[in-house]
Amino acid sequence: TQLLEQSPQFLSIQEGENLTVYCNSSSVFSSLQWYRQEPGEGPVLLVTVVTGGEVKKLKRLTFQFGDARKDSSLHITAAQPGDTGLYLCAGDESNYQLIWGAGTKLIIKP
Amino acid sequence: SAVISQKPSRDICQRGTSLTIQCQVDSQVTMMFWYRQQPGQSLTLIATANQGSEATYESGFVIDKFPISRPNLTFSTLTVSNMSPEDSSIYLCSVLEAEAFFGQGTRLTVV
Repeated sequence: TQLLEQSPQFLSIQEGENLTVYCNSSSVFSSLQWYRQEPGEGPVLLVTVVTGGEVKKLKRLTFQFGDARKDSSLHITAAQPGDTGLYLCAGDESNYQLIWGAGTKLIIKP
Repeated sequence: SAVISQKPSRDICQRGTSLTIQCQVDSQVTMMFWYRQQPGQSLTLIATANQGSEATYESGFVIDKFPISRPNLTFSTLTVSNMSPEDSSIYLCSVLEAEAFFGQGTRLTVV
């Protein structure tokens, strides 16, 4: 079973600052997904990256997949209180199961 | 996309009792996944439920403690048996269709 290391596990920053969350593995994933979860809800998909070196942007969020498809990052520019939540990366190990990172609890203070 | 209705959303239970959590999906799916999650932390897979066969449990989880039913392709239940305070957690059901879809979660507190 592949492992996915996610860091940091907790981040509390001021509104307007930038931040980056990392997911790393020693193994190759066919794709990697990023989810955001709010209290009382299940995780919701933000983006899927498939191609090595791929960069996807979702407003102030930038997602990158490493060239070797072993790592990924989520960068948030000018964070806002609405970005507060739990961010999870998940690697596609097979067609029927995802491997989940440890999660990053993000708090944006106004 | 898949829409999953999960209930109950929360419950407070006495130790030694059992709670059954239900998940209904709005489409037919081959596999359903049951997760446990401590607040603010990642997901731990309990088991994978296939229709017509016994669920596959992950290391550390056993059928006697977490029996699962999967009577058809749109429904599954997870029972948390003989509960102790250590079972207090959030339980989530999920399906995987290119992306993972989740129920709203069941927040269980055992007292």
